[in-house]
Amino acid sequence: GAVVSQHPSRVICKSGTSVKIECRSLDFQATTMFWYRQFPKKSLMLMATSNEGSKATYEQGVEKDKFLINHASLTLSTLTVTSAHPEDSSFYICSAGGQGYGYTFGSGTRLTVV
Amino acid sequence: SQELEQSPQSLIVQEGKNLTINCTSSKTLYGLYWYKQKYGEGLIFLMMLQKGGEEKSHEKITAKLDEKKQQSSLHITASQPSHAGIYLCGADNAKTSYDKVIFGPGTSLSVIP
Repeated sequence: GAVVSQHPSRVICKSGTSVKIECRSLDFQATTMFWYRQFPKKSLMLMATSNEGSKATYEQGVEKDKFLINHASLTLSTLTVTSAHPEDSSFYICSAGGQGYGYTFGSGTRLTVV
Repeated sequence: SQELEQSPQSLIVQEGKNLTINCTSSKTLYGLYWYKQKYGEGLIFLMMLQKGGEEKSHEKITAKLDEKKQQSSLHITASQPSHAGIYLCGADNAKTSYDKVIFGPGTSLSVIP
């Protein structure tokens, strides 16, 4: 079945630095990739939708300059958290749009900013 | 915008008991998805429902979508500790292209041995 590989699974960074999270679709072409954020004991919140070769569409309230999304190829999308601060600490998860049996999610990335 | 509500917010059941989780949409759904998650981990796809009145089962889990396609229920029969986790319903409005999935707030399930 469809697999989305997300890494790193965990990352700790210093405040002010940038962190890049990658999502790769391993055996299918992901024309659309979604990025979600999850706060402790909360549901997933959609941050942005990216389509291969075009600019990402951000949800209201999500800072596009802080969360840079690149979807340069059909198998790779990246989320870069720029100038990270402790309040950016969260669980980030990507998903690729529907393969006939639901959206395929990555395994998530736990970001801790210290 | 579409919103999803889930009830109950949390559930604690004795092992072996049946339980039901509900998901209600403010709009007619095109696709309704059920996922299970252990916090901090990826989502596990359970089932997708698209047709009004559709019902699907996998092992001890049954999901239904009502005729109006605005409500779905997830029923677990003879619950086990392995069923514990957060259950999320998600919905999209896409008919011909992949659309974003909006999630409900989740239902936290604990199963007491």
